Amino acid sequence: GESVGLHLPTLSVQEGDNSIINCAYSNSASDYFIWYKQESGKGPQFIIDIRSNMDKRQGQRVTVLLNKTVKHLSLQIAATQPGDSAVYFCAEKRDTGRRALTFGSGTRLQVQP
Amino acid sequence: SAVISQKPSRDICQRGTSLTIQCQVDSQVTMMFWYRQQPGQSLTLIATANQGSEATYESGFVIDKFPISRPNLTFSTLTVSNMSPEDSSIYLCGMSQGASGELFFGEGSRLTVL
Repeated sequence: GESVGLHLPTLSVQEGDNSIINCAYSNSASDYFIWYKQESGKGPQFIIDIRSNMDKRQGQRVTVLLNKTVKHLSLQIAATQPGDSAVYFCAEKRDTGRRALTFGSGTRLQVQP
Repeated sequence: SAVISQKPSRDICQRGTSLTIQCQVDSQVTMMFWYRQQPGQSLTLIATANQGSEATYESGFVIDKFPISRPNLTFSTLTVSNMSPEDSSIYLCGMSQGASGELFFGEGSRLTVL
């Protein structure tokens, strides 16, 4: 497999448990945030997004929470499955005039069967 | 979302050579982005490629090292010039579609420089 995630912090959970992956961002002016999932040998895959005027958004088995006071973003995965094993990145859009995203450092999620 | 195809998917290159990576999107997009992902690292933006204008490079990246072309709204290339082992990375093409701003990525081009 690829070496993506080799040096990243790792979260290990049991199958069926809930997972919480955290991310701190730096720019209080960021107005848009995305969570990506990257499996070994693949490009990042969009999971869920949230705008800065919201503090919570839910998808299928995933919830993103945004705390602008402490500039913190979290991704909650319910009933974690082996297929959720991957590296997860948060990304922020810092400049409202541009669409480029700035990525966080990433967390490797390992799901134990 | 659009389908993004990158070529080559992987390559092993010799020091001092150059390699051009192609990115093809199956729909017209205004903004395309090139990111680098070094081993075990996150994604770092190299440049933004807009059709009809010069690419905009991020701090630490220069056109001589990473020339970019954007001849039309569905295609872009990134060249990694005069490669060294430090250029061994995954290079990712991304595009923004729609008003919300999410980026979608290709599968990446994995370069190993010997």
